[in-house]
Amino acid sequence: GAGVSQSPRYKVAKRGQDVALRCDPISGHVSLFWYQQALGQGPEFLTYFQNEAQLDKSGLPSDRFFAERPEGSVSTLKIQRTQQEDSAVYLCASSSVGVGTEAFFGQGTRLTVV
Amino acid sequence: SQQGEEDPQALSIQEGENATMNCSYKTSINNLQWYRQNSGRGLVHLILIRSNEREKHSGRLRVTLDTSKKSSSLLITASRAADTASYFCATDPRYNQGGKLIFGQGTELSVKP
Repeated sequence: GAGVSQSPRYKVAKRGQDVALRCDPISGHVSLFWYQQALGQGPEFLTYFQNEAQLDKSGLPSDRFFAERPEGSVSTLKIQRTQQEDSAVYLCASSSVGVGTEAFFGQGTRLTVV
Repeated sequence: SQQGEEDPQALSIQEGENATMNCSYKTSINNLQWYRQNSGRGLVHLILIRSNEREKHSGRLRVTLDTSKKSSSLLITASRAADTASYFCATDPRYNQGGKLIFGQGTELSVKP
């Protein structure tokens, strides 16, 4: 596609609800990253895929967070039993290779947990 | 757990003036990148400077890197109202295996027409 596409753009979830956030990276991009951005802060790394392999999940804040990229293209970030502190913008980025190249970001999904 | 510290946190200038933003980081890096984020939007890559480079230009942007001081600066010359946005530095740490970026807290730039 022309750019990284994320859906939904906005999501309101009741506390305890499960949510799934989708990322369509740029076609052919090997690397895919998820970041979490709290209001007024810089993005914080969550997890990284190279093709379908999840090579780094050190940034996932708890075991309620789970990400997958089963066919090496589209990725889903799932948050189980959402809590208020999960409210943030979730950004997806892709790049052609992992190191030393530009990452292209999607517009993000703004998650609000009420 | 962010590596970068940026200053100032907020900067307000008049159109036509230059804007300088600074970034400091903690660990050795492969490269440092600057991104822009308009309100409610994703991040847009501006420029990448490698650890063996000291200065880089792109249009009205000038980036410097001092690895001995672990700091970088972004200069926007002849600013325009459209430059109003948040600017983030992001480092690709030397220990990195996958290219994940460590972002600073950002500088919020306001350019008044």
